[in-house]
Formats: sequence, C-alpha cells, structure tokens
Amino acid sequence: AQKITQTQPGMFVQEKEAVTLDCTYDTSDQSYGLFWYKQPSSGEMIFLIYQGSYDEQNATEGRYSLNFQKARKSANLVISASQLGDSAMYFCAMRAVRHNTGKLIFGQGTTLQVKP
Amino acid sequence: GAVVSQHPSWVICKSGTSVKIECRSLDFQATTMFWYRQFPKQSLMLMATSNEGSKATYEQGVEKDKFLINHASLTLSTLTVTSAHPEDSSFYICSATSEGGFNEKLFFGSGTQLSVL
Repeated sequence: AQKITQTQPGMFVQEKEAVTLDCTYDTSDQSYGLFWYKQPSSGEMIFLIYQGSYDEQNATEGRYSLNFQKARKSANLVISASQLGDSAMYFCAMRAVRHNTGKLIFGQGTTLQVKP
Repeated sequence: GAVVSQHPSWVICKSGTSVKIECRSLDFQATTMFWYRQFPKQSLMLMATSNEGSKATYEQGVEKDKFLINHASLTLSTLTVTSAHPEDSSFYICSATSEGGFNEKLFFGSGTQLSVL
C-alpha cells in the first residue's frame, strides 16, 4: 500500500528564517514521484517542487528544496528565507503508477505560520 | 503552465437537490482526472479517478450513486452530488493530467465549496 506521512500538524517560523517540513513515504514501487503542494486559505493547490525516485540530486526550485533520502524514505521540504506569504498548509504527495494507477496520494498536511 | 478551470467556486443548495461541478482542462487534453474531497484543515481524500470515455473508478467507501462522475471529453469532467445532504458539505477539488507517468504533476482546479442547508 502507498502511504504518505506528515507528522507535524503545525509549524511556526520567524520571517526570513529557514524551515523544514517533514514527509515520509511508503511504497513498494521502484518508480514514483514525490511532490509538494502549497494550499493557501483560498483553497487552490499550488505545485512547489518535484523529486523523482531515480533522481540522484535533490530538487530545488527557488527558495524551495527537497531533501530526498531514499533509503530512509523521506522527502522533506526546506523553505529558505521564509516570507509572510508562505503561511499556508503544505502537503507532501506521492504518485506511483504500477500499483497505484497514477493517482496522487496526499499526506495529512502541515500548517505553516510565518511570524513577522 | 497548464490551467484547470473548476466551476462553480462555491454553491449553496437545499437538502435533497443535486449539484453539478465542472472541471475543465483549458490548454491540454486531460486523459485522466481525479476528484478529491477535503474537510477543513484536513488532507485531500481521493474520491475517484476518471478516464475519458470510460467509467470512473471509485475509491473504497465512496458511494457511486451519490457522486456521479462523467468524463465525456478530453477537456471536461463533471461531478454531480445527487440528493445532497448536509453531510455532503465539503470542499471538492479536481485535478487533471495528460500523462500517466509517475513524474507528471497534476494540475488542480481552484476547488468548489459546497454547503448543503
């Protein structure tokens, strides 16, 4: 079975500091993708970053980086230089194909609040 | 980037009525669309997967007769909540993809907040 676990229901970070949001996953597939999405209070799902199971380097997208540790099955999101606009709910998600028909499975989410 | 349009953004209806939510891919052909349901401050729960021209595949525990999904074209999927009741009140969000590969990201609509009185 596929599973995504986010153990931090809520996080606080001071503006301009870095924060790490944890994500662990479980899958029997060899080929899978890991995604992070941001959901502000408006409800839209904003794609942040992607890491493929075969990618050897950690993904980076601007202030976002993904700390991918395959052996530990973790895919933590690091947000550098936090901004007030980063306050939102963050979801880690996984997409596999062989056992999962390509659907995107989400973790429980982490609510991030950036303090001025 | 690819755009997925979802309408309406919010809807209020009386108990017992049916509500239709549309999900359109505006600039790509969506071979697969997914429908999710989300309660406040909770995760997105997958309801069903719909492929163009075929019957939707529902997740365990989702009532097929309550949540009717139609994917009639490569750009349009609809979710109809039939005989809605207050417990159906929720945020519904669709996503679409043109590829089935694990490395293809899904594009999301803006969601629909359904309130059943």
